[in-house]
Amino acid sequence: EAQVTQNPRYLITVTGKKLTVTCSQNMNHEYMSWYRQDPGLGLRQIYYSMNVEVTDKGDVPEGYKVSRKEKRNFPLILESPSPNQTSLYFCASSLDILALGGQFFGPGTRLTVL
Amino acid sequence: AQTVTQSQPEMSVQEAETVTLSCTYDTSESNYYLFWYKQPPSRQMILVIRQEAYKQQNATENRFSVNFQKAAKSFSLKISDSQLGDTAMYFCAFMKLGGPNAGNMLTFGGGTRLMVKP
Repeated sequence: EAQVTQNPRYLITVTGKKLTVTCSQNMNHEYMSWYRQDPGLGLRQIYYSMNVEVTDKGDVPEGYKVSRKEKRNFPLILESPSPNQTSLYFCASSLDILALGGQFFGPGTRLTVL
Repeated sequence: AQTVTQSQPEMSVQEAETVTLSCTYDTSESNYYLFWYKQPPSRQMILVIRQEAYKQQNATENRFSVNFQKAAKSFSLKISDSQLGDTAMYFCAFMKLGGPNAGNMLTFGGGTRLMVKP
């Protein structure tokens, strides 16, 4: 089954404790991205990657890091989480940058930073 | 920068009736794509329908259709014969086409919560 998976689905952590949210897709997609969703703000892009070892900043990259060492994986790293990073996070992938079929979204990760 | 506005935070409709969700956007681009995504309680984002700006014909997918007014920068979603399973948040999204380095960034509206009542 074609899908984008994220882990963990739910995470509660404390300020300053490094964490990683994994994202994996099994569709051989080149393009992957991370979004955060906050009430009233819709989804905002954090980082994206157009292929292995090619990443770039989205709208709201501050406080986040990503890496793309393999085509299927695109982890989101919070080196020192802060409460303003409490949010719902989505990973998405698409075949190419045009995403003519739309982006495939993962199930979401709800992160709470205390 | 692009902005996407969904002016209806919440809407409700009776089962089997028709409902229209509004979306307007602001851009100076001439070539772009527009999308409607559905987010059910499971929270996963699901693509409902897309529209290419260069196409005058409105996109249709089964019970879902759009009214794309390029000059007015309006992109509304019509859901016909509403079903209980259509209950969800609906997001309008804009994507510009700017070449290989465009980033393929989707700009989302704030969402409309749709409740289908039995």
